[in-house]
Amino acid sequence: DTEVTQTPKHLVMGMTNKKSLKCEQHMGHRAMYWYKQKAKKPPELMFVYSYEKLSINESVPSRFSPECPNSSLLNLHLHALQPEDSALYLCASSQDGTSGGADTQYFGPGTRLTVL
Amino acid sequence: QKEVEQDPGPLSVPEGAIVSLNCTYSNSAFQYFMWYRQYSRKGPELLMYTYSSGNKEDGRFTAQVDKSSKYISLFIRDSQPSDSATYLCAMSGRYGNNRLAFGKGNQVVVIP
Repeated sequence: DTEVTQTPKHLVMGMTNKKSLKCEQHMGHRAMYWYKQKAKKPPELMFVYSYEKLSINESVPSRFSPECPNSSLLNLHLHALQPEDSALYLCASSQDGTSGGADTQYFGPGTRLTVL
Repeated sequence: QKEVEQDPGPLSVPEGAIVSLNCTYSNSAFQYFMWYRQYSRKGPELLMYTYSSGNKEDGRFTAQVDKSSKYISLFIRDSQPSDSATYLCAMSGRYGNNRLAFGKGNQVVVIP
């Protein structure tokens, strides 16, 4: 089973709202990732957690706040977003995030976020 | 020069044709090569994963890697309308964190 689940599928929020995106995997993976994908562009890495510790933050604005409560769950807290933050937000997981390219990433279906 | 080059131009082929996609790269540290398929408004799905130079087959799909030329290809035989999607190449190095370098993606349309 290579399933990564994400909720919600769609989210519309105003610039003053606070919302959260959720991601879950039950593959026993110890690395989880957040990506942002704009239309007709490849995914852009935002954050990586490895063994529940934040290992990579790609200089993402503080209005995006990741959280990894345990090895199966990953959240992305959103606050005071801008319309240009509208995108598909993808979660991925892999074995441990430290094995280089041998560590295959599996993506979830994404949350389509619209910021009004 | 971008690390990974993939001509994003849409590709339309008739059903049953062979689809040929390719990416070039400049970073010789890349050792692992992947092809992801992404349907409209869905997440990328891992299609093929290769490490060494040469060919790897999986059903109608063949991934080819030429490390000496820094060139990878994906071939889809007997293409079906269900193959209509965007195909992303991705690659990463052997050590350290698992950052993926993606190509821009190729939109493929298979016409019945």
